[in-house]
Amino acid sequence: EIVLTQSPGTLSLSPGERATLSCRASQSVISSYLAWYQQKPGQAPRLLIYGASSRATGIPDRFSGSGSGTDFTLTISRLEPEDFAVYYCQQYGSSPPLTFGGGTKVEIK
Amino acid sequence: QVQLQESGPGLVKPSETLSLTCAVSGYSISSGYYWGWIRQPPGKGLEWIGSIYHSGSTYYNPSLKSRVTISVDTSKNQFSLKLSSVTAADTAVYYCARGGVGATPFDYWGQGTLVTVSS
Repeated sequence: EIVLTQSPGTLSLSPGERATLSCRASQSVISSYLAWYQQKPGQAPRLLIYGASSRATGIPDRFSGSGSGTDFTLTISRLEPEDFAVYYCQQYGSSPPLTFGGGTKVEIK
Repeated sequence: QVQLQESGPGLVKPSETLSLTCAVSGYSISSGYYWGWIRQPPGKGLEWIGSIYHSGSTYYNPSLKSRVTISVDTSKNQFSLKLSSVTAADTAVYYCARGGVGATPFDYWGQGTLVTVSS
């Protein structure tokens, strides 16, 4: 099973600032099958990034993903008020079990 | 637009079986993709439970495998979850979603349903 470790646990930033979230895997993620999701209170997760760096439909270009192997990053170039939420990474390689990281909360400073 | 909707009892007694159904609209399950269940205990992170293909092929989380059954009804365009011998630790919001297995992310999600295990 691939364990995903997200850091930091909480990120305190102001609107307009840049957010950098990390996701580290315990072993290499096959074919960069790594996704990022955003979750707001009381809502289901929303797919932001798949394939480590491809934006899902309708996702603003201030969200970008990068990385390969065991180290992945989600960057929000300029935080908008609606971006304050919890972010999860997830690996979906061809061999289950599928696993999620523990999440990073981006809160208003 | 693909839409998923979970339904089922919101309260289940300890040792009983939790049963949920996910109705899919806007896309035929028979057209492809795996369809999965994910849960989230209150205030905690996401846990994949298992996934099914329209053919009936299933994958389960090893940590839950002995208690989980996922089935599909293509005629009704829905799939279901059964989790047996539940305890308070199974209290969570349960989501259904499209994708997961087969190198596809979870791209469409239901809104989730809270299931509480309590006597």
